[in-house]
Amino acid sequence: RKEVEQDPGPFNVPEGATVAFNCTYSNSASQSFFWYRQDCRKEPKLLMSVYSSGNEDGRFTAQLNRASQYISLLIRDSKLSDSATYLCVVISGGSNYKLTFGKGTLLTVNP
Amino acid sequence: DAMVIQNPRYQVTQFGKPVTLSCSQTLNHNVMYWYQQKSSQAPKLLFHYYDKDFNNEADTPDNFQSRRPNTSFCFLDIRSPGLGDAAMYLCATSRDGVTFGGYTFGSGTRLTVV
Repeated sequence: RKEVEQDPGPFNVPEGATVAFNCTYSNSASQSFFWYRQDCRKEPKLLMSVYSSGNEDGRFTAQLNRASQYISLLIRDSKLSDSATYLCVVISGGSNYKLTFGKGTLLTVNP
Repeated sequence: DAMVIQNPRYQVTQFGKPVTLSCSQTLNHNVMYWYQQKSSQAPKLLFHYYDKDFNNEADTPDNFQSRRPNTSFCFLDIRSPGLGDAAMYLCATSRDGVTFGGYTFGSGTRLTVV
């Protein structure tokens, strides 16, 4: 089983739609969770951290379910500029010091 | 004001010809990472340095080596590039690797092998 698995996508949605991304992780000792955004041929950039209580940043809401080892990202009122690949990222903690990325889910928001 | 700088942005090399990719940082971060990202795949960690301590991932091919001569610079050496090594190579830094606060990526070097 892969360490981090995401919806394969791609997702094509109209402007204004609500879209949800799902991610599961295999290491129950994982401590830190993030969503990154990667535009075509660019480096990944942090979108938001994911906290146990869930957190919101404008149109973006992240949720964490430790019992199910599940992370989600919800985007409301999609904009054309939201088109990108969304990567689920996990840090396992301890002495690993490394980010483990999911494969990513491509989102295209259409006018 | 780029804080993690990768050079060159695009690199073309011949099959089997050694190539070096460069990363520098102005953040004074302890940890520097090299990731390989192939088309439509997740970034995959090759190795990282915590200060001078080198940590190789178990499945990183021997063809890939790294050097960190000082805090600011880290190099990725590919001794004999094959066609399968064509990818985006991402350098990242972190203050201490444990807390999120300081993961910063460079813009990447896209390597083409001909």
